[in-house]
Amino acid sequence: GNSVTQMEGPVTLSEEAFLTINCTYTATGYPSLFWYVQYPGEGLQLLLKATKADDKGSNKGFEATYRKETTSFHLEKGSVQVSDSAVYFCALIPTGYSSASKIIFGSGTRLSIRP
Amino acid sequence: SQTIHQWPATLVQPVGSPLSLECTVEGTSNPNLYWYRQAAGRGLQLLFYSVGIGQISSEVPQNLSASRPQDRQFILSSKKLLLSDSGFYLCACVGAHNYGYTFGSGTRLTVV
Repeated sequence: GNSVTQMEGPVTLSEEAFLTINCTYTATGYPSLFWYVQYPGEGLQLLLKATKADDKGSNKGFEATYRKETTSFHLEKGSVQVSDSAVYFCALIPTGYSSASKIIFGSGTRLSIRP
Repeated sequence: SQTIHQWPATLVQPVGSPLSLECTVEGTSNPNLYWYRQAAGRGLQLLFYSVGIGQISSEVPQNLSASRPQDRQFILSSKKLLLSDSGFYLCACVGAHNYGYTFGSGTRLTVV
């Protein structure tokens, strides 16, 4: 079946450090891949997405590349800020996307940035 | 683009009391609608989804129910709350031509 596996948190970094949050998936064909961010006390916001192999999604300094060969979609940022502290969810929508498709989330990774 | 309104933002209810959480959508028609629950420190669990008025699918057996009386309205209910119903409840939608989900701001429910 379809699934998403994320690195377990919490991840604690100092400001301006390099960030990587690993995400791998299991799915048939070519799913669409997403990163969502949840700031404290809020709902989820779409951070970035990629819909086909080798696509790179980017937003707010974050990047993730859709790697079909390694079934991965790792989230990276070159220099994190305190304001990036949040929970990050990797997710996929299976191949053959339609409005009836159900998104599958990873368990989330809590990121804390020290000033 | 679509917007989801969810209320209330926080709610404290005694065990055994009823529950009604409401979610409305703007900016799209005929959306698919979803209710998720996030227990403290944990991931997201899909509770219900709906592909149209009056059409509800339940993902997990539980003490909750959902209804969709109008195209852009989705309601989560319970007749008698349990302590285990505490959590952060999120409504989400997918419009007809949109990749990814849009989420509401959530309702934090504490059952005491």
